[in-house]
Amino acid sequence: GAGVSQSPSNKVTEKGKDVELRCDPISGHTALYWYRQSLGQGLEFLIYFQGNSAPDKSGLPSDRFSAERTGGSVSTLTIQRTQQEDSAVYLCASSLVYASWEQYFGPGTRLTVT
Amino acid sequence: GESVGLHLPTLSVQEGDNSIINCAYSNSASDYFIWYKQESGKGPQFIIDIRSNMDKRQGQRVTVLLNKTVKHLSLQIAATQPGDSAVYFCAENTGANSKLTFGKGITLSVRP
Repeated sequence: GAGVSQSPSNKVTEKGKDVELRCDPISGHTALYWYRQSLGQGLEFLIYFQGNSAPDKSGLPSDRFSAERTGGSVSTLTIQRTQQEDSAVYLCASSLVYASWEQYFGPGTRLTVT
Repeated sequence: GESVGLHLPTLSVQEGDNSIINCAYSNSASDYFIWYKQESGKGPQFIIDIRSNMDKRQGQRVTVLLNKTVKHLSLQIAATQPGDSAVYFCAENTGANSKLTFGKGITLSVRP
């Protein structure tokens, strides 16, 4: 079956530009998570959705970061006025139910800000 | 403060040997501990989890041990295979929400 997909797989952007990263979770999964992984580092939790709502946005690094989820499915992570420190792999995961540790990850979007 | 960390950055083992990957945590309030495996170019893959009221859990070729006294978590892989080569992350959750705190990761390299 189809797993979690993310697009684009790679994104190179100039400093100051806005970017949108997309995540298609596994069909029927109610929970969706965004993480950021910098080179050689662990995963940094950004935000999660239960359905279309995001109860906890405290993991977002700054107000330049926002995320939404519509129809209980696709989610978009938007980074405005990108900075070089935003360069990382952005990973999306979904789980069947909320508070499940068996999260299924997508391949990630590698963002490079020049 | 709260942190999850790994003792060693890399581990090299001979194919067929058993591997032990260790992790230290500092948040005694964590409810669950989870191990993920990440192969090159892919997202992490769930391996096994253990609840804080357990001290051992076994899966297929893997065993997770939890020592709450010293706040130590380990992943044992039996008869390590080349396909086990990856970066392994331990993670913890306090149960309050779905937020997972990941360690930095340890690279397991399997020698043929």
